[in-house]
Amino acid sequence: DGGITQSPKYLFRKEGQNVTLSCEQNLNHDAMYWYRQDPGQGLRLIYYSQIVNDFQKGDIAEGYSVSREKKESFPLTVTSAQKNPTAFYLCASSTSLSSSGNTIYFGEGSWLTVV
Amino acid sequence: AQKVTQAQTEISVVEKEDVTLDCVYETRDTTYYLFWYKQPPSGELVFLIRRNSFDEQNEISGRYSWNFQKSTSSFNFTITASQVVDSAVYFCALSGRGGANNLFFGTGTRLTVIP
Repeated sequence: DGGITQSPKYLFRKEGQNVTLSCEQNLNHDAMYWYRQDPGQGLRLIYYSQIVNDFQKGDIAEGYSVSREKKESFPLTVTSAQKNPTAFYLCASSTSLSSSGNTIYFGEGSWLTVV
Repeated sequence: AQKVTQAQTEISVVEKEDVTLDCVYETRDTTYYLFWYKQPPSGELVFLIRRNSFDEQNEISGRYSWNFQKSTSSFNFTITASQVVDSAVYFCALSGRGGANNLFFGTGTRLTVIP
């Protein structure tokens, strides 16, 4: 099946630890994104990537890092510098970034809880 | 500035009732796109519709319909004969200048359909 796969679905992190969320897509999309969702709020953009080996900060990039070594993969690392990491994280992709109106498709999300 | 407002935080309806979810947007762009997404309890955001700013025709898809009015900057979503499976959080989003990395989400409306 074509789509976006995120793993793990649920993740618990101790304070001070880095964790990496996986995102893989087989839609042959060039652009990929990471969003954060907090209860009762809309989605906020963390990072996005238009092409392999290139990525840009979104609105709330502090405390996060990404890589884009393959077109299909866009992992997100939540570092210990992120002060409030407990949230729902959504990975997404679209055919391209350059033209307005491209529909963004989302994965099933990952719940991260700091314990 | 770009902004999407979903004033209805939560709505409850009895099954088979019709319900309208409101979305009001702000943008200075002349070309822009509007979207609706559904987020069921599983967490994944499911794409429902995309509408560009030059097409004000209303759209109907089964029990779903959308009313786009540029004069009032609104893009409302109506579910006819609601069903329990319609229970979810619905997000309206706006994409303007800058491409798909410039996607602004509203805070969502939680719809509960009571059997």
